[in-house]
Amino acid sequence: AQSVTQLGSHVSVSEGALVLLRCNYSSSVPPYLFWYVQYPNQGLQLLLKYTTGATLVKGINGFEAEFKKSETSFHLTKPSAHMSDAAEYFCAVRISGNTGKLIFGQGTTLQVKP
Amino acid sequence: DTAVSQTPKYLVTQMGNDKSIKCEQNLGHDTMYWYKQDSKKFLKIMFSYNNKELIINETVPNRFSPKSPDKAHLNLHINSLELGDSAVYFCASSPGPGGNTEAFFGQGTRLTVV
Repeated sequence: AQSVTQLGSHVSVSEGALVLLRCNYSSSVPPYLFWYVQYPNQGLQLLLKYTTGATLVKGINGFEAEFKKSETSFHLTKPSAHMSDAAEYFCAVRISGNTGKLIFGQGTTLQVKP
Repeated sequence: DTAVSQTPKYLVTQMGNDKSIKCEQNLGHDTMYWYKQDSKKFLKIMFSYNNKELIINETVPNRFSPKSPDKAHLNLHINSLELGDSAVYFCASSPGPGGNTEAFFGQGTRLTVV
């Protein structure tokens, strides 16, 4: 069965510091992987996705993620945190089959300190 | 132009009542979903419809009944509301049920049962 684990429910960084949010997945087939961001009292917005091809994917707001099959990881990074990056971040995997179902990780709250 | 819109955004109601949440998407997508986000921010799929047909029902109590009058709409009706139903409910859509495309989420409906 497919699953997603986000290591660290809460990450705190200083403004201008590197952001690293960890995501590991479990899948018996090549997965489709997604990172979503949720700002307070908002819906989920897609940051980036990995489907096939280039393993380093770039998303919005300066975020990027690298798919590493050998490590079953899809960690999210941003070189320099901004105060506006403070939000909840969710890693998700789309399961195989024809249902469109997304399985989400537990979420990571990113705090950015001035 | 809101892509996926839900109404109402907030819903406070008493135990035992029946309530509905409406969802509409103007993206021309074939597949729509309902996700539930609990108090710990964990997201889990409830239902998925493809071209008005139910394709996922994730062991949700019978008190929850989705209805899709056309592929642009997916409403959620909840009977006999319980305290444990308090959560944020997200509607989402995607071009189809499979493949590598992402889901687009609405702003969420915060349901509070008192």
